Amino acid sequence: DIVMTQSPDSLAVSLGERATINCKSSQSVLHNSYNKNFLAWYQQKPGQPPKLLLYLASTRESGVPDRFSGSASGTDFTLTISSLQAEDVALYYCQQYYSLPLTFGGGTKVEIK
Amino acid sequence: EVQLVESGGALVQPGGSLRLSCAVSGFTFSNYRMHWVRQAPGKGLVWVARINTDGSYTSYADSVKGRFTISRDNAKNTLYLQMSSLRAEDTALYYCAGQQYDTPVDYWGLGTLVTVSS
Repeated sequence: DIVMTQSPDSLAVSLGERATINCKSSQSVLHNSYNKNFLAWYQQKPGQPPKLLLYLASTRESGVPDRFSGSASGTDFTLTISSLQAEDVALYYCQQYYSLPLTFGGGTKVEIK
Repeated sequence: EVQLVESGGALVQPGGSLRLSCAVSGFTFSNYRMHWVRQAPGKGLVWVARINTDGSYTSYADSVKGRFTISRDNAKNTLYLQMSSLRAEDTALYYCAGQQYDTPVDYWGLGTLVTVSS
């Protein structure tokens, strides 16, 4: 199984400041046919299901604000919120969809400082 | 509008059985691989099972293998999860979720709560 290790567990950021969440996969999730990483980021607010933010490590889902961005370097992935808004308070999960079992990071709780 | 509506969650005793359903509308169900993902109270997301588009192939997490069965009825646009020999550690909110081939899981239901307790 591919283990996804996410950090930090939580972070508090001032409104308008940058938030950065890290995720590391235990093995490559690079799909050779596409030369793309099968890595997604989800946002989950209390009482709601996960919402897809980014896929292929850096492609924003339709309707997702451009303050959300993703990057990849080998098996290291980063989700950046460039200017934190109040509505961004949530849990964030990385997930690999390269192989079964689908595996998620442990989650990062983002709060306002 | 895409809708995935889970049902069937309940309080059940350890060792008991339960069948969850997920009624889908708003997208072509038969084109989507379907998953069950669970989330224990206050915990993270854990994948449970997947079924391919025509139901001919299934895959399970080790923790549920031999106890849970995922199935689908494409004529009824409905996904199922038959759960047996339930344990306390199966207590969770169970989400059904949809995924097209080589894409991320992008459709999620609101979940149905399963509580295993005596």
